[in-house]
Amino acid sequence: AQKVTQAQTEISVVEKEDVTLDCVYETRDTTYYLFWYKQPPSGELVFLIRRNSFDEQNEISGRYSWNFQKSTSSFNFTITASQVVDSAVYFCALSEGYGNNRLAFGKGNQVVVIP
Amino acid sequence: DTEVTQTPKHLVMGMTNKKSLKCEQHMGHRAMYWYKQKAKKPPELMFVYSYEKLSINESVPSRFSPECPNSSLLNLHLHALQPEDSALYLCASSPKGLGAYHSPLHFGNGTRLTVT
Repeated sequence: AQKVTQAQTEISVVEKEDVTLDCVYETRDTTYYLFWYKQPPSGELVFLIRRNSFDEQNEISGRYSWNFQKSTSSFNFTITASQVVDSAVYFCALSEGYGNNRLAFGKGNQVVVIP
Repeated sequence: DTEVTQTPKHLVMGMTNKKSLKCEQHMGHRAMYWYKQKAKKPPELMFVYSYEKLSINESVPSRFSPECPNSSLLNLHLHALQPEDSALYLCASSPKGLGAYHSPLHFGNGTRLTVT
């Protein structure tokens, strides 16, 4: 069964629009970590955020913000005032339990920002 | 610029060739990873080295052979590959070894491998 679901495959937005990427996860562990990574066309995955299961505080970093809701098992990511440089594939990932650091990735969201 | 360096960036090899992918990091990280990523798919974990010891092998075929000569270097030796092995191979590192908290991974730019 898929542990991380990112439903929207490709999302196109016009520059300066906001875009929200949905991530729904599934786990039976009480301790887990959620991540978002960005993969630009150059190939490397860039770490954006890590959130543990005990910290439901939302976070804002510049134009990026994250909304973690344990009640709905969601960890959504919003890009505000999108820019062309935001065009990339964004992966949500889950790491469960203690210390094996295995990441279960979602299928990714291809974000295309149109100038 | 990424702090995890992978070479080569591109590699084309025949099914009878032997080649190696290299990965280097100088951040003092104690865990290093190999991932395979097919087009339009998420990365799939292949191997994990923790404190220079192979800790995870995700049932990868023996035609892929990892090696960790020291804490900064990670190699992936390739032999008798198949065309379906064509993919982006990503190396990653994390500050602490397995058994520690779930630290973020630092990825390299990857090697784009084509098997003909």
